[in-house]
Amino acid sequence: QLQLQESGPGLVKPSETLSLTCSVSGGSISSRGYYWGWIRQPPGEGLEWIGSMFYSGNTYYNPSLKSRVTISVDTSKSQFSLKLSSVTAADTAVYYCARHRSGSDYFDYWGQGTLVTVSS
Amino acid sequence: QSVLTQPPSVSAAPGQKVTISCSGSSSNIGNNYVSWYQQLPGTAPKLLIYDNSKRPSGIPDRFSGSKSGTSATLGITGLQTGDEADYYCGTWDTSLSAALFGGGTNLTVL
Repeated sequence: QLQLQESGPGLVKPSETLSLTCSVSGGSISSRGYYWGWIRQPPGEGLEWIGSMFYSGNTYYNPSLKSRVTISVDTSKSQFSLKLSSVTAADTAVYYCARHRSGSDYFDYWGQGTLVTVSS
Repeated sequence: QSVLTQPPSVSAAPGQKVTISCSGSSSNIGNNYVSWYQQLPGTAPKLLIYDNSKRPSGIPDRFSGSKSGTSATLGITGLQTGDEADYYCGTWDTSLSAALFGGGTNLTVL
């Protein structure tokens, strides 16, 4: 059974860079047909897709966040990472990593989520 | 303001049926697959429906999905109190090259 687990700081200061890692177990991060994505959910609000990356490097980002987001994959560690720069309080959210099926564009496996608070 | 429009809330009695709509456009729902997710309080979203109407293994047939034109619908029959959750539709937008989620619908089983 595929499992995803987010890790990273729960508190980030304004203007700094948020960095999270998702560890994948029970399956290959190099699986054909799947991207690896990040989704966030501000407290009390809905889901917002941040971006997705194929293991070979092809990446899609939410246009509204594109200038601040970088997603990378480390196949040797079976991990993928999110960096979001110049954060503000508006970036406070629960951040989820998920497996993203290419073509059908659904997210079938999700991490449990990690709350990141932006505050000084 | 989400590109995909869902009603903020729906409610029905136990045992009854409810439908949740998701409205989009030709650049998203009209030309791409729709998926649906259930988010129980305090938990991660769970895939309920993919490819418009398919159910992953383990999802009961009380849950169904359909798509017509630029709209999609999630149906839930035989409502149970355990179905109380937020439900989200999702799809790809070809013009934006972006994944989209609806604003979410809160289901109350009265």
